[in-house]
Amino acid sequence: DARVTQTPRHKVTEMGQEVTMRCQPILGHNTVFWYRQTMMQGLELLAYFRNRAPLDDSGMPKDRFSAEMPDATLATLKIQPSEPRDSAVYFCASGLGGTQETQYFGPGTRLLVL
Amino acid sequence: DAKTTQPPSMDCAEGRAANLPCNHSTISGNEYVYWYRQIHSQGPQYIIHGLKNNETNEMASLIITEDRKSSTLILPHATLRDTAVYYCIVSPRVIYNQGGKLIFGQGTELSVKP
Repeated sequence: DARVTQTPRHKVTEMGQEVTMRCQPILGHNTVFWYRQTMMQGLELLAYFRNRAPLDDSGMPKDRFSAEMPDATLATLKIQPSEPRDSAVYFCASGLGGTQETQYFGPGTRLLVL
Repeated sequence: DAKTTQPPSMDCAEGRAANLPCNHSTISGNEYVYWYRQIHSQGPQYIIHGLKNNETNEMASLIITEDRKSSTLILPHATLRDTAVYYCIVSPRVIYNQGGKLIFGQGTELSVKP
């Protein structure tokens, strides 16, 4: 049963530290999405890639967040420096592409910035 | 992207059909209707999608009105494990590498009761 995997599953860090979250999309999927979920804002799209190229990162705070796909099996989301307001659950999702983009979500990374 | 309107919460008795409505009166011709759900503490899960015809899979049925301005997700025999937040999302067909992103609203919190 193919699944999206995310690491770490939980992260507690102090304000100002760098945080790196990793996502392994389902093998053969060519689209990767990053979402953030908080109680106040719900699920927000941060950025997404197709065939490893960034298509839209308008939802991402540019000054501290960066998203990359070093290769087809790894997507990363970095926060530097982290702030308490970044505390949230970060989800990665992948899709096959095509005209109808069905997305398959990972279990999420729960981030707490103290 | 077209906006959707869903009731914030619904209850359903275990074993009965759960009918979750969604209004998308501004939907355009190239936009699909997607349904996802999120069980507590998990990533969202794809359920079903459709363009204008009714659709059925092993999880649910999707009924789209002829004018496409509203739809209903039907879980034919709800179980306690179907308790979740259900999201109705309208998203355009992917064309020339554009599109495919999902904009999540607040969804409907479905409680299935014994």
